[in-house]
Amino acid sequence: DQQVKQNSPSLSVQEGRISILNCDYTNSMFDYFLWYKKYPAEGPTFLISISSIKDKNEDGRFTVFLNKSAKHLSLHIVPSQPGDSAVYFCAVSSNTGKLIFGQGTTLQVKP
Amino acid sequence: KAGVTQTPRYLIKTRGQQVTLSCSPISGHRSVSWYQQTPGQGLQFLFEYFSETQRNKGNFPGRFSGRQFSNSRSEMNVSTLELGDSALYLCASSPLDNPQGTQYFGPGTRLLVL
Repeated sequence: DQQVKQNSPSLSVQEGRISILNCDYTNSMFDYFLWYKKYPAEGPTFLISISSIKDKNEDGRFTVFLNKSAKHLSLHIVPSQPGDSAVYFCAVSSNTGKLIFGQGTTLQVKP
Repeated sequence: KAGVTQTPRYLIKTRGQQVTLSCSPISGHRSVSWYQQTPGQGLQFLFEYFSETQRNKGNFPGRFSGRQFSNSRSEMNVSTLELGDSALYLCASSPLDNPQGTQYFGPGTRLLVL
């Protein structure tokens, strides 16, 4: 049973526009939600996180929104840049040293 | 600070062999977690070590084991390799006082089992 789902395997956007990546989860007990970016042949790189007690967290071009009632989070990238092209994973943390990852969404930003 | 390092980066083994992968965490990090990434299953948690003790374990067979040393370096071992063990093995470390559970990943070891 998949606890974290990213239903869109891929997303293509034009440079300068907004990229919106989505993630759904099943367990309302998760404490923190994180987004990672992964380039080929590299490990995932931490991008941004949000606590379950907040609904928005912003860091530069990256904003994460959390809708607890819908068990849904999203990552907004504005403006999108070609260097943002990568696989994006959402993950949940229950403070047990374990992250549960979604399947990932491949973002392509076209110049 | 130097990031998480993993050795070797690439490895080719045959079925039935065993393999040991090594991970050096970021200096000062005492928690080390291991993940397996495959195209079909995504990133899956193997186990986590803290102060030389396994604190959490994922749903993998006993052929997968690990350990952590007093300097926080960690190794994972896979015995009796199967074709399905071909994957990218990722190690991640995290600092103390880290309620959000952020983990910092190494580049991974790509294992191919023939």
